[in-house]
Amino acid sequence: EDQVTQSPEALRLQEGESSSLNCSYTVSGLRGLFWYRQDPGKGPEFLFTLYSAGEEKEKERLKATLTKKESFLHITAPKPEDSATYLCAVQVTGGSYIPTFGRGTSLIVHP
Amino acid sequence: DAGVIQSPRHEVTEMGQEVTLRCKPISGHDYLFWYRQTMMRGLELLIYFNNNVPIDDSGMPEDRFSAKMPNASFSTLKIQPSEPRDSAVYFCASRQEHVSEQYFGPGTRLTVT
Repeated sequence: EDQVTQSPEALRLQEGESSSLNCSYTVSGLRGLFWYRQDPGKGPEFLFTLYSAGEEKEKERLKATLTKKESFLHITAPKPEDSATYLCAVQVTGGSYIPTFGRGTSLIVHP
Repeated sequence: DAGVIQSPRHEVTEMGQEVTLRCKPISGHDYLFWYRQTMMRGLELLIYFNNNVPIDDSGMPEDRFSAKMPNASFSTLKIQPSEPRDSAVYFCASRQEHVSEQYFGPGTRLTVT
C-alpha cells in the first residue's frame, strides 16, 4: 500500500530560523511528488512538482529536494507570512495518476 | 480565470437534511476532484471525474453521498441524509489533462448538528 508520512506534525520557528520539513514515501513507483501550501480557511495552493531523485526546485525562501525515499522542504530565514500547513502528495506510476496526500506539517513562524 | 469556485462557503444544517455542495472548475480543465478534509483523517479523495464522467468513486464513504457533473463547468456533491460525522471542509479541485498539479477551490465548511 502506498504511504506518505510527513514530519513533524507541527513546527514552531522564530523569524529567521531556518529548518526543514520531511515527507517520506513508500510507493511501488514514483511518478511525481508535489508540495502544496494551505493557509487557514483556504484550499491547498500548489508549490512544486519533483519527478526524479536529485531534483531541486526553489521559490523565494523555499527549496524542495527529492531522494528515492523522501523529500525535504527547506525554509531559509522564514518570515511570519510563511506560516501555513505544508502538504506533500505522491503520484505513482501505473495507476490512475491521482495523488495521495500526507497529513501535513503545520508551520508557525513567530516574529 | 477566477480559479475554482465553490458554493456555499459555509453550510450549517440539521441531521437528516439534504446538503448540496457546488463547484465550478477552471475553464479548460478536464479533471475534477472532490475531497474532504478533517483533523482526524486529513485530506481524502472522495470521487473524481474526467471529461464529465465519474472515474473512481471508491472514496465516497457510503450511499448517502452522490456526485454529478452534468457539464464541463459544473459539479455537485450531495449528502442525503446528512449526519454529524459528515461535518468537514469539502474541497473541489481541477486540473488539465497531462498536467499533474491540481488547483483547489476555497472549500465549503459543512457543519451538521
